[in-house]
Amino acid sequence: SQQGEEDPQALSIQEGENATMNCSYKTSINNLQWYRQNSGRGLVHLILIRSNEREKHSGRLRVTLDTSKKSSSLLITASRAADTASYFCATDAEGIYNQGGKLIFGQGTELSVKP
Amino acid sequence: NAGVMQNPRHLVRRRGQEARLRCSPMKGHSHVYWYRQLPEEGLKFMVYLQKENIIDESGMPKERFSAEFPKEGPSILRIQQVVRGDSAAYFCASSPPSGGAHETQYFGPGTRLLVL
Repeated sequence: SQQGEEDPQALSIQEGENATMNCSYKTSINNLQWYRQNSGRGLVHLILIRSNEREKHSGRLRVTLDTSKKSSSLLITASRAADTASYFCATDAEGIYNQGGKLIFGQGTELSVKP
Repeated sequence: NAGVMQNPRHLVRRRGQEARLRCSPMKGHSHVYWYRQLPEEGLKFMVYLQKENIIDESGMPKERFSAEFPKEGPSILRIQQVVRGDSAAYFCASSPPSGGAHETQYFGPGTRLLVL
């Protein structure tokens, strides 16, 4: 299985509820990033968290990183219908096999927020 | 301040033809990355380039695929003799001169290639 696996694969909630998505990875990292992709569109960068950080906030987004468990979570509070999208985590896979450029993406979590 | 630009947005090719995908990075960015996304899947890294240099092409198929980022002009991903399995969305991303996955990569809207 690959670096960066999201859980759950799909999540359906009502507007106003919170959505939590998880990401696990295998190797040590320098940073982990979360992206959003609306259907048929490009990726929008949401937040980057470095390996020496444990939590980061941006508006309604809260990201945590636990390097001991090799996992991260993305929490979207007070969700809106416009948050409906696929969410991906991506890691940089520190190590000699990564010459600094490669981001490794998970399969994504498909979030559906019903009005 | 324009973001990463890709063209064309949609490309239809018949088997055996060539596909050329273009990417103009954000202003001030000198690092370009190409990723491929198959339906219902995440993005897979293909190649990482700086101006006139290929830094990491570990994700690029050995045959039929090539990439360049010349001193002037956009980065080009070229697929020769396309097959149906090449049908996918191809995304380009760029990052500032410090580069690498240590920095945020900004993505373009993608080129959706359909091989008939």
